[in-house]
Amino acid sequence: QVQLVQSGAEVKKPGASVKVSCKASGYIFSSYDINWVRQATGQGLEWMGLMNPSSGYTAYAQTFQGRVTFTGDTSINAIYMELSRLRTDDTAVYFCARGDRSVLQYWGQGSLVTVS
Amino acid sequence: SYELSQPLSVSVALGQTARITCEGDNIGRKDVQWYQQQPGHAPVLVIYRNVKRPSGIPERLSGSKSGNTATLTISGAQAGDEFDYYCQVWDTNSVVFGGGTKLIVL
Repeated sequence: QVQLVQSGAEVKKPGASVKVSCKASGYIFSSYDINWVRQATGQGLEWMGLMNPSSGYTAYAQTFQGRVTFTGDTSINAIYMELSRLRTDDTAVYFCARGDRSVLQYWGQGSLVTVS
Repeated sequence: SYELSQPLSVSVALGQTARITCEGDNIGRKDVQWYQQQPGHAPVLVIYRNVKRPSGIPERLSGSKSGNTATLTISGAQAGDEFDYYCQVWDTNSVVFGGGTKLIVL
């Protein structure tokens, strides 16, 4: 079965960086994009961007341009999201999700990042 | 940038039909997905490509579009349907989500 398993919660200081991992299993990793979506407490879903593991293509939401970087390691079926210059309003749960032409059917469990 | 508008909340009597709307320019030309989210959990895809249901999603949930509005219909609303619902499209190399609607079952 398709599974996306994310790394654990993080606490960071303002100005620091955080790197969240998303490890995939149960499907051909290179065949689907991995999207990143975040959600602050009590707020809606906010798309951050996506990465194609096969080509390395990335697309970033304008809001995060210059602060977020996606990288991949196809040897272990993992995608990483690194967010830099953290602010207190970056406190949120960060989700990865498998994308099939923008249909996000499979999601990771979420990783809480607290900036304080 | 593209925007999707959803009502903050929709109320429905137990057993009745709830309709959650999602408005966006030219949404008729886009594929619309709907997600259900329980507090503290990842979203669950309930409708994709406007009208399709993933396996395991009950037929009580259905999607439709008309003009500039997409609609998620929940028939026979149950207390267990009381979650947040988000619509989503793809526009200009970006995934776009609506702001989300809380379904209240009375």
